[in-house]
Amino acid sequence: GESVGLHLPTLSVQEGDNSIINCAYSNSASDYFIWYKQESGKGPQFIIDIRSNMDKRQGQRVTVLLNKTVKHLSLQIAATQPGDSAVYFCASGGDSSYKLIFGSGTRLLVRP
Amino acid sequence: GAVVSQHPSWVICKSGTSVKIECRSLDFQATTMFWYRQFPKQSLMLMATSNEGSKATYEQGVEKDKFLINHASLTLSTLTVTSAHPEDSSFYICSARDSGRFQETQYFGPGTRLLVL
Repeated sequence: GESVGLHLPTLSVQEGDNSIINCAYSNSASDYFIWYKQESGKGPQFIIDIRSNMDKRQGQRVTVLLNKTVKHLSLQIAATQPGDSAVYFCASGGDSSYKLIFGSGTRLLVRP
Repeated sequence: GAVVSQHPSWVICKSGTSVKIECRSLDFQATTMFWYRQFPKQSLMLMATSNEGSKATYEQGVEKDKFLINHASLTLSTLTVTSAHPEDSSFYICSARDSGRFQETQYFGPGTRLLVL
């Protein structure tokens, strides 16, 4: 999940369907993971986070899954709505600097 | 809770001038704040970590004399872009970590769009 890339991958889903956004991270020492939603022209908005001692955490309409074996993180959004259209970033951290390393992001488009 | 504000939300300036951007944590104390810049269709790039009462820690490749950071209180950090040039035009976003919680969650401000002519 390094911050690279000149274009954003896009996921297009039908309104009402479930969305799954994936993220891979590279640092096996990371023990904290977080998902942000960023709408156009705005700052990132916290969605949900998870620690490495868990493999699943649920929020309101969202679920984060963590697979430490393959260093993979996913965000599931249930019953996707037009308001969910945005760019979604995963980030990892966990050292004493409190810095987060951001992934390249995925653009979610919700079709009416 | 966990609201972070930024001011101004956008600014246009002439090349060679300096621009100051403020970042405030409104309902929590933040000993640590972070400054990012973001280019269109790209991810966030960390510029520096701002620590209350001490010098900022800059990421590799970020000029500390160009991007001055001051974290004078537990709720305010400022970023000053000195002698701005067109290539400094970008979206600058700050974030803050709640010092009262033992967690890494960063709460972001709404961003400041800088255009240098």
